[in-house]
Amino acid sequence: DIQLTQSPSFLSASVGDRVTVTCRASQDISSYLAWYQQKPGRAPKLLIYAASTLQGGVPSRFSGSGSGTEFTLTISSLQPEDFATYFCQQLSSHPLTFGGGTKVEIK
Amino acid sequence: QVQLVQSGAEVKKPGASVKVSCKASGYTFTGYYMHWVRQAPGQGLEWMGWINPNSGGTNYAQKFQGRVTMTRDTSISTAYMELSRLRSDDTAVYYCARGAGSSSWYLCDYWGQGTLVTVSS
Repeated sequence: DIQLTQSPSFLSASVGDRVTVTCRASQDISSYLAWYQQKPGRAPKLLIYAASTLQGGVPSRFSGSGSGTEFTLTISSLQPEDFATYFCQQLSSHPLTFGGGTKVEIK
Repeated sequence: QVQLVQSGAEVKKPGASVKVSCKASGYTFTGYYMHWVRQAPGQGLEWMGWINPNSGGTNYAQKFQGRVTMTRDTSISTAYMELSRLRSDDTAVYYCARGAGSSSWYLCDYWGQGTLVTVSS
């Protein structure tokens, strides 16, 4: 199985900050990576797929980059509604695994 | 608009089975895979498998092989996930999620609201 390691697992930031979350894969997954946002008590929401393609309706302050084994999710200017947990998921091979999550909290 | 509406919360005893439903609307049910993902309390996301509603073909995570069965009823655009021989560590919120279609069958673009399954004696 492909393991995805997210870092940090917890992040404290202020409104307006630039935030970066990293997802490392245990083997090459090309660009078969997605990012999801989850708020407490809610289902995950797709943000980015194919490592860097923004899902429709997602604000442009979100961006993704990377390929192979290292990927990043960047929020260019953190907004109050962005405080949530973020998960990466690899779509390269079965089982389709998720990273452990990064919780972004208000400083 | 795409909607996935899941059945309500369940409480089950260890050793029992649970069957969760996911009713789809707003798109052609047979044109998109349906995935099942679960989340234990305070934990991360765990992919369980998918079903192709058109063919009925399935792909289950090895961890759940022999305990999980995914089915569908195309006449009512509903997918089902049944998990048997429940244990306390199966307590989780179970989500259905639509695969994104021919561009990426494995990408989950729309999610149900989740169904809490509690396993307790």
